[in-house]
Amino acid sequence: DIQMTQSPSSLSASVGDRVTITCRPSQSISNYLNWYQQKPGKAPKLLIYAASSLQSGVPSRFSGSGSGTDFTLTINSLQPEDFATYYCQQSFDPVFTFGPGTKVDI
Amino acid sequence: QVQLQESGPGLVKPSQTLSLTCTVSGGSISGGGYYWSWIRQHPGKGLEWIGYIYYSGSTYYIPSLQSRVTMSVDTSKNQFSLRLSSLTAADTAVYYCARSVVPAAGPYYFDFWGQGTLVTVSS
Repeated sequence: DIQMTQSPSSLSASVGDRVTITCRPSQSISNYLNWYQQKPGKAPKLLIYAASSLQSGVPSRFSGSGSGTDFTLTINSLQPEDFATYYCQQSFDPVFTFGPGTKVDI
Repeated sequence: QVQLQESGPGLVKPSQTLSLTCTVSGGSISGGGYYWSWIRQHPGKGLEWIGYIYYSGSTYYIPSLQSRVTMSVDTSKNQFSLRLSSLTAADTAVYYCARSVVPAAGPYYFDFWGQGTLVTVSS
């Protein structure tokens, strides 16, 4: 299975900040990388697919980049509703795997 | 708007079999281009994908659970189901059903999720 790592595991930020989260798979996965946001007690929500494609309805302050073994999720001008846990997920390997998550709090 | 809703028992005894159903509304489960997945999240932990089923009945299960997992689909009811046998406390988790988009090229991704159902394995 492809192991996913995320950094940092948690971060504290303020409204208006720019936040960057990194995801690194244990092997190259081309652009087969998706990002999700999860709030407490809720199901994950798709933000970005194929590394950089914004899911319909997701605010444009969210963006994704990268390929191979190095990916980034950026949130420009953090809003109060963005405080959540963010997960990356690969679908390059037949066994889909998620990263351990990055918690963004105040 | 596609919606998914899990249903099933919240408490199951060790060694028993868990049965969960996901009802899909707002779209047909028989439409091509989608696989239907189960994903679980242990309390306070990350996400683990269990596997998926296509409307035709073809399946893929992760190797670590393959011996205990069975998925099925009922297109007449627009539902798909998960059975997980030989339960232990380690199977206690929130179980989600989700739609997996299968594009012509590029990665599969989960675009619609159920709200999740907590399953506790305890005597």
